[in-house]
Amino acid sequence: DTGVSQNPRHKITKRGQNVTFRCDPISEHNRLYWYRQTLGQGPEFLTYFQNEAQLEKSRLLSDRFSAERPKGSFSTLEIQRTEQGDSAMYLCASSPRVAGLETQYFGPGTRLLVL
Amino acid sequence: AQTVTQSQPEMSVQEAETVTLSCTYDTSESDYYLFWYKQPPSRQMILVIRQEAYKQQNATENRFSVNFQKAAKSFSLKISDSQLGDAAMYFCAYQTGANNLFFGTGTRLTVIP
Repeated sequence: DTGVSQNPRHKITKRGQNVTFRCDPISEHNRLYWYRQTLGQGPEFLTYFQNEAQLEKSRLLSDRFSAERPKGSFSTLEIQRTEQGDSAMYLCASSPRVAGLETQYFGPGTRLLVL
Repeated sequence: AQTVTQSQPEMSVQEAETVTLSCTYDTSESDYYLFWYKQPPSRQMILVIRQEAYKQQNATENRFSVNFQKAAKSFSLKISDSQLGDAAMYFCAYQTGANNLFFGTGTRLTVIP
C-alpha cells in the first residue's frame, strides 16, 4: 500500500507527558499537512510543509506543539506537556505539487487520549 | 474568514434510494475549490468528489454528483442508488490557493437495508 501512513495509530498518555507522532506521506508528494479532529467536529488545520519548509501554522498550534519534516520526507508532530484538551485524532495528509487543483490524501490518523 | 456549514448533523436513506447532503460556505475569494470527503467509522478519510469554482459544470463521479451554486455559495452532494458501504460521516471542505482545507462539521449518513 503506497498511501499515507501514520504511527502510532493510538496513543494513551498521562497529562504532562510529551508525545510524538509520525507521518509518512505518499512518495513524491512534496506537500504535507497536519490536522486535528475532535469528536463530532471536522478536521482543523494545524500546519503544512512544502518539502522541508514549514510554510504556515494555525493559531491552534500553541508553543507546546512543534512539527518537523527533515529532508522533506516523513514528518513528526510533537506535543510537549500534554493537556487533556489535546485529546483528539491527529490527521496527516499529503498532496503533490501540481498547477491548479491539489487533492489532499489523508492517512488513518493517530488517536491521542490524555488522561 | 472562510466558513463551511453543514446544517444536517444526521441523514438516513433507504438502500437504493437517493439522498442529498447540504453544504454552504462563505468566502470573499473568487478562485477556490470544493470537496466532499467520506470518513467511514474508524477508517481514514477519502475523497468522494471535487469541484473547481471556475467550472460551471457540476462534477460527477459514478453515483456521486454535486449541485454547485456559486452565487448562492452552495455545494450539495447527491448520492444515487445508495449502498450500505456509503454509510459514513461526510465532510464538505473548501480550499483556496493557500491549500489548507476548511471543513464543515460533517453529516452522518445512515443507509437502511
